[in-house]
Amino acid sequence: DQQVKQNSPSLSVQEGRISILNCDYTNSMFDYFLWYKKYPAEGPTFLISISSIKDKNEDGRFTVFLNKSAKHLSLHIVPSQPGDSAVYFCAASASRDDKIIFGKGTRLHILP
Amino acid sequence: GAGVSQSPRYKVAKRGQDVALRCDPISGHVSLFWYQQALGQGPEFLTYFQNEAQLDKSGLPSDRFFAERPEGSVSTLKIQRTQQEDSAVYLCASSFGYNEQFFGPGTRLTVL
Repeated sequence: DQQVKQNSPSLSVQEGRISILNCDYTNSMFDYFLWYKKYPAEGPTFLISISSIKDKNEDGRFTVFLNKSAKHLSLHIVPSQPGDSAVYFCAASASRDDKIIFGKGTRLHILP
Repeated sequence: GAGVSQSPRYKVAKRGQDVALRCDPISGHVSLFWYQQALGQGPEFLTYFQNEAQLDKSGLPSDRFFAERPEGSVSTLKIQRTQQEDSAVYLCASSFGYNEQFFGPGTRLTVL
C-alpha cells in the first residue's frame, strides 16, 4: 500500500513554460517532504524540501507547495529548462533524520 | 571525495552466490541509510545506522540481507544466496543530523 503516490508516470512540457509535478500522501504522521531529481545511472539528488509547518518553500526556479488538509504537495519549475529533464521523486518522512518514503517518480521531458 | 561513493557500480551474480556491496559516506556524516530500487519504482528503505549502531532494519526483505557499519563510517550490505528477485539498484545515502540525505550512485545488482 503506497504511502506516497505520484500518479503521473511522465510529463512533457515546453521549454520556458511551467512544469507542475504532483504528489499525494496518505500517512498523516509525515512531517517533512522532499523532492529528489534523478538522472540515469546516478543516485537521486536532493532538490528542495518543506516541513509541515509551512505551505510554501521557494528556491530559485523551484517552488514546493504543501496542502496538509488535502495531503497533497506539488513542485513547480519555472521557467523549465532542457536540463530539467529527469525523473522526479516525491518523498516524505516522519522527521528530518528518519527514513524516507519515496513515490514511484515522474519522468519529466522538457521539449525544445 | 566530496560525495557518497559506492562500489562496485555493477555486479552480476549467479543465483545462490553471496554478494557484498560497499558504501563510503560523506566524511563526518553520522546517519547512513540503505535503499533498494527495483526497476520502475522509487527507492525503498532497507536499513539505517547512526554511527555504528543499526537503529532500524525493518526494511530488510529477508534474513539473507545483512548490513554492518563496524566503525561508524564505511558500511557493507551483504546478500547471501542471492535470488533473481534481489536484482535491483542498491542505493546508499548519508546525512549529518537533521539535514537532507545525500545519495551515492548506487550498485546495480543483476542475479542470473
